[in-house]
Amino acid sequence: RKEVEQDPGPFNVPEGATVAFNCTYSNSASQSFFWYRQDCRKEPKLLMSVYSSGNEDGRFTAQLNRASQYISLLIRDSKLSDSATYLCVVNMPLGGSQGNLIFGKGTKLSVKP
Amino acid sequence: NAGVTQTPKFRVLKTGQSMTLLCAQDMNHEYMYWYRQDPGMGLRLIHYSVGEGTTAKGEVPDGYNVSRLKKQNFLLGLESAAPSQTSVYFCATETGTSGYEQYFGPGTRLTVT
Repeated sequence: RKEVEQDPGPFNVPEGATVAFNCTYSNSASQSFFWYRQDCRKEPKLLMSVYSSGNEDGRFTAQLNRASQYISLLIRDSKLSDSATYLCVVNMPLGGSQGNLIFGKGTKLSVKP
Repeated sequence: NAGVTQTPKFRVLKTGQSMTLLCAQDMNHEYMYWYRQDPGMGLRLIHYSVGEGTTAKGEVPDGYNVSRLKKQNFLLGLESAAPSQTSVYFCATETGTSGYEQYFGPGTRLTVT
């Protein structure tokens, strides 16, 4: 099983649609989870952290299911400006440390007028 | 504040040539990272540093060396470039105290012919 796995897409949706991305991770000891956004030919930028209780930031909602080792990102009322690649990011514990971050390959979203 | 900057932005090398990529940060962050991003592969960690004077290997360190002589700078060296090192290189920083949020530089696009 790959360490962090995402559907690569692309997800092509109309403006105003609701779209959801999923991500699975392999290490049950992982403690830190994030969604990053990467625009074409740009650097990744943190979109939001993912907390056990779930969290919301405007039109974006992130959820974590530790039992299934699964993270999700929901985008409501999609805007053209949401078009980007969304990276699922998880820490990979190593020995006694929290280890480094592992980045998924990303899910590409294209929002059309 | 400039945040995280990378020099150069683009470079073309011939096989066997050497070069150094510079990452500079004015955020006073302890941790710094070098990643490479290839199509279909996602971001992969090359080397990282948890403080001035310290470095450690990441997932794909072969063919690269690093140095962190000053807290604000992290250098990535290619001693003898190979076509397999054609990639986009991103530097990232992290406070080291508040859990994993990483800030990325704009990237260096390197082509080795």
